[in-house]
Amino acid sequence: NAGVTQTPKFRILKIGQSMTLQCAQDMNHNYMYWYRQDPGMGLKLIYYSVGAGITDKGEVPNGYNVSRSTTEDFPLRLELAAPSQTSVYFCASSPLGLAGTYEQYFGPGTRLTVT
Amino acid sequence: EDQVTQSPEALRLQEGESSSLNCSYTVSGLRGLFWYRQDPGKGPEFLFTLYSAGEEKEKERLKATLTKKESFLHITAPKPEDSATYLCAVRSRGSGGYQKVTFGIGTKLQVIP
Repeated sequence: NAGVTQTPKFRILKIGQSMTLQCAQDMNHNYMYWYRQDPGMGLKLIYYSVGAGITDKGEVPNGYNVSRSTTEDFPLRLELAAPSQTSVYFCASSPLGLAGTYEQYFGPGTRLTVT
Repeated sequence: EDQVTQSPEALRLQEGESSSLNCSYTVSGLRGLFWYRQDPGKGPEFLFTLYSAGEEKEKERLKATLTKKESFLHITAPKPEDSATYLCAVRSRGSGGYQKVTFGIGTKLQVIP
C-alpha cells in the first residue's frame, strides 16, 4: 500500500511555462485535495474533489486547474507559471467518514520553483 | 472567518523535559480538530482527530486534549526523534456539503539529547 504518491519531487519552471503535478492514491479514498505550503503560512487549499468527475475550487485556485477522471488520480495543472507559484505542493486524500469528519493522508510533496 | 493559532512558534526541549503545544481556534460549527506531524521535506502525517470538548487521545508519548476554544498536544518525556513541526487543523461546517479545513502555521519542536 503506497498511500499517496506525487511526482515529480522537484521541478524548476521558467515564467510562462506549463506543467502537470501528478498525484495518485491507492486507498480507494473518495476525497482528494491539493494544497500549497509557503514559509510562515498554513497549508492553503487550491482545489479539491469529492469523487471521480467532481471538482471544486478551494481558497487559492487562480492559475491552476484540476481534473479527476478516476478515483485514484488527481493531477494539478499549472498554466503560464508565475513566480508567485513557487511553493511546495501537497496532494492529500481522505476517506468518507461516517461521522462526516475525516483525517487527511498527505503525499511527500513537490517543490516547485518558478524563475 | 475560521482561525487557527498555534503557540509557541518554536520550542526547544531537553530530552525527557515534558511540555505542551497549544492550538486555539475560532470556527463556525466545529466538525473535528486534527493534529499532524511534519518532518522536514515531507508531507504532514496524521496523528489524532478530536471531535468534542473533553475528548482525549494518546499515542506513545503524545496526548491530545480538546476544549471548546483550544487543544493541547502534551509531550511526555520527549526523545530527539519527536523533533518535528506539529500542525493543528480544524474542520468546520462549510457550504455546499464541503467541510472547510483550516490549518495553523505549526509549532516547530526540537528535542535536544
